[in-house]
Amino acid sequence: AQKITQTQPGMFVQEKEAVTLDCTYDTSDPSYGLFWYKQPSSGEMIFLIYQGSYDQQNATEGRYSLNFQKARKSANLVISASQLGDSAMYFCAMREVNTGTASKLTFGTGTRLQVTL
Amino acid sequence: DTGVSQDPRHKITKRGQNVTFRCDPISEHNRLYWYRQTLGQGPEFLTYFQNEAQLEKSRLLSDRFSAERPKGSFSTLEIQRTEQGDSAMYLCASSLLSEISYEQYFGPGTRLTVT
Repeated sequence: AQKITQTQPGMFVQEKEAVTLDCTYDTSDPSYGLFWYKQPSSGEMIFLIYQGSYDQQNATEGRYSLNFQKARKSANLVISASQLGDSAMYFCAMREVNTGTASKLTFGTGTRLQVTL
Repeated sequence: DTGVSQDPRHKITKRGQNVTFRCDPISEHNRLYWYRQTLGQGPEFLTYFQNEAQLEKSRLLSDRFSAERPKGSFSTLEIQRTEQGDSAMYLCASSLLSEISYEQYFGPGTRLTVT
């Protein structure tokens, strides 16, 4: 079974609008972390935001916020006031603390976001 | 620039040749990871080091792959007898064990093309 599912292969958003990128995850580990990374065409993975499974509040970092719904196992990324420079691939990833693989990140297949004028 | 660096950025090789990639992590980071990313997919974990010890290897890491991190600083990933299926982006990342989030900082990657 897929541990991280990103169902939107591609999304379009107009400049200055908000956009939500979906991510659902599957784990039986009660302790885990969720990450979002941005990958521009240059290839480098850029960390955006982190949410721990025990965090009570949704994480926010500038224009990025993570809509964490634990019971639904979803961790959607919300980008407010989109900019042309936000056009990139976006990956959701998870780290499971207690399964013996606490070191690695498991990534979804990504969503390509295109910001238009 | 004090980020993660990788060398080379691009490598084209013929099938059957050996290739070696280098990763220099952020200097104070004690964990180093290698991932492989094929077209249209997210990165897949290959292996990781804590200091100089290689603590975990994925099933993806066949016998033709070997990774080292001598002295707990830079790391090398070698692929012997390359196959066309090895064509991918090889990403290196590093993190600090003491950080709660274990955020991993990625390098720019090495794109391997096997002809």
